[in-house]
Amino acid sequence: QVQLQQRGAGLLKPSETLSLTCAVYGGSFSNFYCTWIRQAPGEGLEWIGELSYSGINNYNPSLKSRITMSMTPSKSEVTLNLASVTAADTALYYCARGQGFYMDVWGKGTTVIVSS
Amino acid sequence: IVLTQSPSTLSLSPGERATLSCRASQALRGNYVAWYQQSRGQPPRLLIYAASNRATGIPDRFSGSGSGSDFTLTISSLEPEDFGLYYCQQYNSFPRTFGQGTKVEIK
Repeated sequence: QVQLQQRGAGLLKPSETLSLTCAVYGGSFSNFYCTWIRQAPGEGLEWIGELSYSGINNYNPSLKSRITMSMTPSKSEVTLNLASVTAADTALYYCARGQGFYMDVWGKGTTVIVSS
Repeated sequence: IVLTQSPSTLSLSPGERATLSCRASQALRGNYVAWYQQSRGQPPRLLIYAASNRATGIPDRFSGSGSGSDFTLTISSLEPEDFGLYYCQQYNSFPRTFGQGTKVEIK
């Protein structure tokens, strides 16, 4: 059974770079996309962007200037970097696997708090 | 594309039928809509894709319908584990967007 495990720093100061990694177990990202989604406290879901196994990326225009995503050559891990964070980036961040359309496997989420 | 879900909250008893609506700001070709369930403290779970196709392992009391810009998720008979939040998502265009959610709560 495919599982996604997330890791990364949960407490950041304004202007720092958020860095989260999503590792897949029981499978890989080969032939799949890794999508990042976030959920601010008490809010709904926001699509951050996606990276395909072949290197194609699509980012939310609202965050595009600050995002980079990368995948390991083994296709087993994807890293999200979000630069110059502010309090508005405080959220629960999820990675998920899909075909570039909907997401059928989700990680448990990582809480990121931005505070001085 | 903006997705508007209604109602915001649905108060029902176990065994009752739940009908959740998702309206898109423009028509979605291919009916590219997915539905997710989110229980408290859990990540979302895919229920429905392409408007009406149940994801693997999803009970048949969940069904999706609709086309164009109007879509519906129906839960035929609510089980205790069905109470929670439900989101629709469009994958017709970028950026992918979600509705604001419908909370199904116990009456």
